[in-house]
Amino acid sequence: KNEVEQSPQNLTAQEGEFITINCSYSVGISALHWLQQHPGGGIVSLFMLSSGKKKHGRLIATINIQEKHSSLHITASHPRDSAVYICAVLFADSNYQLIWGAGTKLIIKP
Amino acid sequence: EAGVVQSPRYKIIEKKQPVAFWCNPISGHNTLYWYLQNLGQGPELLIRYENEEAVDDSQLPKDRFSAERLKGVDSTLKIQPAELGDSAVYLCASSLVGGAGYTFGSGTRLTVV
Repeated sequence: KNEVEQSPQNLTAQEGEFITINCSYSVGISALHWLQQHPGGGIVSLFMLSSGKKKHGRLIATINIQEKHSSLHITASHPRDSAVYICAVLFADSNYQLIWGAGTKLIIKP
Repeated sequence: EAGVVQSPRYKIIEKKQPVAFWCNPISGHNTLYWYLQNLGQGPELLIRYENEEAVDDSQLPKDRFSAERLKGVDSTLKIQPAELGDSAVYLCASSLVGGAGYTFGSGTRLTVV
């Protein structure tokens, strides 16, 4: 069964802290997406990964194919990073449908 | 390059009225997806197009929902008649065949009153 698990479900931190959000999945994948959704806003694609590591500004995403695990890191977190972060996986046998994690609601306090 | 463009951004209608949403995918993306997202939940796939063909519409409530993708580019999603329970965000996404470059639009927030 194709499953995606995210943790934590909720995360509150102080400005400047290093943030880690985790995503685990059940079987082989074609790609994994990290997405950001602000309240009332649309979904922004942050990264698409199939292996290794990607960095964009203060955001870093890594994936370990053998362990079926990915992490999203935010360095020097800022209140504007407050949003829901979603891990979505394109499983190799999924007929191209993304399977979404439950999301992590991140609040960064000033 | 423009991303996936959706319009309108917001729509408020009375129940039993029709409503339509429009999506312009990224140029060259063969695959187009319509999702429904209820508040606090993950998106649910309504329909997936490969070019102009609807290859997966199993989750589309066909009694009131319809979609089309003429010429395999832009797409419209229609609800007629709308019900109170249809209030949600309707997301459009596009990708290359195989899922590469999966990109989402900003969504249309529908409120049925």
